[in-house]
Amino acid sequence: EAGVVQSPRYKIIEKKQPVAFWCNPISGHNTLYWYRQNLGQGPELLIRYENEEAVDDSQLPKDRFSAERLKGVDSTLKIQPAELGDSAVYLCASSFDRGISGNTIYFGEGSWLTVV
Amino acid sequence: GNSVTQMEGPVTLSEEAFLTINCTYTATGYPSLFWYVQYPGEGLQLLLKATKADDKGSNKGFEATYRKETTSFHLEKGSVQVSDSAVYFCALEYSGGGADGLTFGKGTHLIIQP
Repeated sequence: EAGVVQSPRYKIIEKKQPVAFWCNPISGHNTLYWYRQNLGQGPELLIRYENEEAVDDSQLPKDRFSAERLKGVDSTLKIQPAELGDSAVYLCASSFDRGISGNTIYFGEGSWLTVV
Repeated sequence: GNSVTQMEGPVTLSEEAFLTINCTYTATGYPSLFWYVQYPGEGLQLLLKATKADDKGSNKGFEATYRKETTSFHLEKGSVQVSDSAVYFCALEYSGGGADGLTFGKGTHLIIQP
């Protein structure tokens, strides 16, 4: 079974430019997450989707970040315009929510963003 | 709010040594607890988990016991190998019913020398 697939793996852009990341979750997983991991830190949740609905976007910087999950499957995360401080690894993850806690969350390999 | 504190790294050990990586948490209610591992150049992988007090999670020789009285979930392994070198993250999921997402610690870089 294929895991969570993300692209691109690496991206270098100049500040003020836009960038987009794409995620394909594990088939059948209704919950999708975007995390940001700064160097030397643990991942931090940006947004969580239940099917196509964003149920927790409280940590998403909405002035420059946007996300969508059309049809409740693939998702994109966009930054426009990018700032130097956005350099990080952007992780997509998915799980099957059975209505109880303790579900295993599966992570993709991440998209490494460098803003210069 | 919820938070996870784990020991600072890097932790450097010789092969076959005993490993302990400390993890404590602050949370309302009774969270589920996890250890994730990130090998060089790879994504995060679930290592083990425990969903209620006194549960013991285990995998690949690693163990961790959910201790509610000390709000801890320390990771242990009796004899480490060079291949265990990685970054280990302790995490919790608040038990609000459903998939609330994980709160991670900062990670502990483990280096095993032959």
